Amino acid sequence: GAVVSQHPSWVICKSGTSVKIECRSLDFQATTMFWYRQFPKQSLMLMATSNEGSKATYEQGVEKDKFLINHASLTLSTLTVTSAHPEDSSFYICRGTSTGKSANYGYTFGSGTRLTVV
Amino acid sequence: AQSVTQPDIHITVSEGASLELRCNYSYGATPYLFWYVQSPGQGLQLLLKYFSGDTLVQGIKGFEAEFKRSQSSFNLRKPSVHWSDAAEYFCAVGAPGGTASKLTFGTGTRLQVTL
Repeated sequence: GAVVSQHPSWVICKSGTSVKIECRSLDFQATTMFWYRQFPKQSLMLMATSNEGSKATYEQGVEKDKFLINHASLTLSTLTVTSAHPEDSSFYICRGTSTGKSANYGYTFGSGTRLTVV
Repeated sequence: AQSVTQPDIHITVSEGASLELRCNYSYGATPYLFWYVQSPGQGLQLLLKYFSGDTLVQGIKGFEAEFKRSQSSFNLRKPSVHWSDAAEYFCAVGAPGGTASKLTFGTGTRLQVTL
């Protein structure tokens, strides 16, 4: 249970283009999705929290116009990196949770997306 | 604000030897505590978690962790390390009471296993 599927696993894009990353909850309804970023050899930093049907809440220092998050359904949340630049190259990973479920549905992550901007 | 400290950036152990990875947290009450493992280029795998109750928690792959309130610690242990355990290990803390709490991660400990 509590499986989160994340796609793509890796993506290379040109500077100035946009990239969309998807996270799907396969066997539960993800009422909340957390998006993290991990730079090489560093820890995971929370970027934003999204609740289904609501606007995402961004952590301090994260540009909401650059990292667009959509959580229009209980099984799908997307992160779009707009006008990507080389400094956006990172590992992006999501975590889905479900209110009303046991805690076992709250602490598994997607497999991550390695973004390289050239 | 919650925080996690993993004092050891890098640890090397011999295969078959015991392992202990340290984790200290800062939180106003007893938080939820987690250990994750990450292999190179991979996502995070949950090893174990502590919510309440028995302070010795058993996880997957033969790992265990002990919550010590007096020391604000949640150290990860394994009695006999296998070469496949080489990876990055992250300790994390979350607010208790629900699954929709933010997790704060430590900086990680890289485990190297020598044969």
